[in-house]
Amino acid sequence: AQSVTQPDIHITVSEGASLELRCNYSYGATPYLFWYVQSPGQGLQLLLKYFSGDTLVQGIKGFEAEFKRSQSSFNLRKPSVHWSDAAEYFCAVGAGDNDMRFGAGTRLTVKP
Amino acid sequence: KAGVTQTPRYLIKTRGQQVTLSCSPISGHRSVSWYQQTPGQGLQFLFEYFSETQRNKGNFPGRFSGRQFSNSRSEMNVSTLELGDSALYLCASSPDNTDTQYFGPGTRLTVL
Repeated sequence: AQSVTQPDIHITVSEGASLELRCNYSYGATPYLFWYVQSPGQGLQLLLKYFSGDTLVQGIKGFEAEFKRSQSSFNLRKPSVHWSDAAEYFCAVGAGDNDMRFGAGTRLTVKP
Repeated sequence: KAGVTQTPRYLIKTRGQQVTLSCSPISGHRSVSWYQQTPGQGLQFLFEYFSETQRNKGNFPGRFSGRQFSNSRSEMNVSTLELGDSALYLCASSPDNTDTQYFGPGTRLTVL
């Protein structure tokens, strides 16, 4: 079965600084990969997804992620963080059967 | 299109009781998945329904069950509630088998 590791539980960045959130997955075949964001008390919002093709995917809110098969990684990046980006971010991997596995999440704090 | 809706948003029950949660997917989506989110275990997959049939099931006891109606609305039932069932229960709908899931705001269940 597929699994996901998010090595960083909590990250703090200054507003305007760049951001990279790490995600490593384990799956035998080509996975479906996702990043979601969750604000406190809310559901999850899909930021971006990768199925195939171009390994650099663009998402909403200025986020992008790069799929690196050799490293089994799908890291999320943003060139300039805004205070409103403070939230919890989840990486997820699917096998095409709507049974997704989520990472433990990375909580992002943005300093003014 | 309206998003995924879940009712109720908040629920307080006592041990031993049972509870039913409801989820209305995005119009046209035939797949509905349920997840349990707790601080300790994170996001865990409960089950997925497609066209009124359970297709996938996570590793939860039989006290957790669900069903889907012909209009794709889904209900989740938990019987004989335990303190550990306190969690945010998230429902997600998907239009296809690419794991692109859209989440509702969740139902916060507290078991006393």
